[in-house]
Parts: sequence; C-alpha cells; structure tokens
Amino acid sequence: DAGVIQSPRHEVTEMGQEVTLRCKPISGHNSLFWYRQTMMRGLELLIYFNNNVPIDDSGMPEDRFSAKMPNASFSTLKIQPSEPRDSAVYFCASSLGDELYGYTFGSGTRLTVV
Amino acid sequence: GIQVEQSPPDLILQEGANSTLRCNFSDSVNNLQWFHQNPWGQLINLFYIPSGTKQNGRLSATTVATERYSLLYISSSQTTDSGVYFCAVGGKLIFGQGTELSVKP
Repeated sequence: DAGVIQSPRHEVTEMGQEVTLRCKPISGHNSLFWYRQTMMRGLELLIYFNNNVPIDDSGMPEDRFSAKMPNASFSTLKIQPSEPRDSAVYFCASSLGDELYGYTFGSGTRLTVV
Repeated sequence: GIQVEQSPPDLILQEGANSTLRCNFSDSVNNLQWFHQNPWGQLINLFYIPSGTKQNGRLSATTVATERYSLLYISSSQTTDSGVYFCAVGGKLIFGQGTELSVKP
C-alpha cells in the first residue's frame, strides 16, 4: 500500500494565482480529511468527506477555498485567488471511518504564496 | 468544541532517558490518537487508543477515558525520537498544540 499520496510536495505561487492541491487516499478508506498546519494555529481541520460527500466544511477559512471529491480515489483542495496568509503545510488524511480507526496522513504540500 | 491540552510543551532529554507526555481533553471521545511529526514534517500515526493501554516497542500509551486524559511513554529515548508529538481526539481529529521533544546524544 502506497499510503496517502499528495501532490505537489512543494508549491510556490504568486499572490492572486489559483492553486490546486491533490490527494489520493488509501484504497478502501471511505473518509478523507484536509488539514492545514501553521505555526500560529497549529493543525486545523478544513473539511472532511465521507463516501465522497462533504460532511463538515466549517473549517474552510473563506470562499476562496473549495474542495471536491469526485470519486473515492481522488480529492482536490483549491485556493483562488491565493494570498500570502495561505502559506502553510496542507495535509490530507484518510480513514476507514466512523471514528473507530486510525487516520493515515499524507506527506503534505508546503505552499508558499509570495 | 472539544479542547485538547498537551504537556509539557517542550522537553529535552539525554539519549537513554525515559519520558511521559500527557494529553487532557475536555469531553468524552470515541477516538484518540497519538502522532509523531518528525523533523521532515511527516505525521506518523503511533497509536489509536480511545481507551486502555497499548505498547509498540519502546513506546506505550494509556488512555483513561473516564478521567479524560491520555499518556504517552517513551522509554530508552533515541535521537530519532526527536520531533513533535501530537494528541488528537474526536471524529474530526482536534489536535493539541503538541510536545516538542529533543533527544540529545
């Protein structure tokens, strides 16, 4: 099993540009989570999906952020337009679901908006 | 929402020493996990432990759900144990602020 796969590993973009982060969960996992890690706020949940359906997006900071999960093996997190304060490490995690199982994290995408 | 507090915030150990990290949470939960974030930023799941005790090599964890706390024990610490240890609880995995551990040779 290759684990949770995120791409790209690093992204540097200019303010105002669109950024798309990608995640492939572990096959068979039915829950997918997007987290953001910053020095100031630590690790915070942005959104999570269960069986490809967004369940809770209350952590999405504002309308510039959107997430999709078109099928069980792929999810995207899009920021448009990007701002310097969006600079952070974005993690994707997956789980078998129902709070009864451990979560596996991807390696993260380090985003820098200049 | 659930509050998660970890202590101590920082810990410096000499190689070979033992340590105990603590996680307090404000409400009953069905999910508690310990993670290690290594110096390269990877988050590694150490334990899924909503209650009881588990051991994995030099690491063990105990959660007393009725008293809303969990402990992570590291024995005979090694330099590779350095990094940040996070406790996270609940279905949405609310993270504590972490304990930054530095093991000196």
